[in-house]
Amino acid sequence: QKEVEQNSGPLSVPEGAIASLNCTYSDRGSQSFFWYRQYSGKSPELIMSIYSNGDKEDGRFTAQLNKASQYVSLLIRDSQPSDSATYLCAVNLFYSGGGADGLTFGKGTHLIIQP
Amino acid sequence: DGGITQSPKYLFRKEGQNVTLSCEQNLNHDAMYWYRQDPGQGLRLIYYSQIVNDFQKGDIAEGYSVSREKKESFPLTVTSAQKNPTAFYLCASSIDRPGDTQYFGPGTRLTVL
Repeated sequence: QKEVEQNSGPLSVPEGAIASLNCTYSDRGSQSFFWYRQYSGKSPELIMSIYSNGDKEDGRFTAQLNKASQYVSLLIRDSQPSDSATYLCAVNLFYSGGGADGLTFGKGTHLIIQP
Repeated sequence: DGGITQSPKYLFRKEGQNVTLSCEQNLNHDAMYWYRQDPGQGLRLIYYSQIVNDFQKGDIAEGYSVSREKKESFPLTVTSAQKNPTAFYLCASSIDRPGDTQYFGPGTRLTVL
């Protein structure tokens, strides 16, 4: 069973604080991991991709990957009200049993940044 | 500007009608995808295509059909066999493999009247 799990939230964070979003996945063989941001009524936009264990930083965003524990997280530093959105985790699950390929998306975490 | 376009932005369908959603990309990507998103739900894969004239069913293909006659275009038809078609439909593309980064179009919101 392909699964990508996220806490649906809402996660409420004060402006200027660090927002921490987490995602777990079911298959140890997964190779590619992505974070997308989706504003209400809009399509997802890519924030970051990560492929190797450890941290990857891009501006105020840091993605963290731990393949042994099967989780990937996204940290947002100095959170701004404009960061309020739903954040989708996507994983390229290793799927050897046939059927659909590609990315499996979590249901997303709704993040609210309080001014 | 390179990107993915979807049309129409909003679409209304009567019961028993087939409708076709357009997706075009000028990114020179080989792979294209169709997803469906329901309120509070993640994205579910309907169909994907890695090359022209070839496509594969996703997790929820029943009631949908696609074609891939050109690299740039991947239209989705929602048939009358799809019993609950009201949803937000998203088209995406990636360079070649499904595990690559996927980029999304703006989406089509379909409502059944």
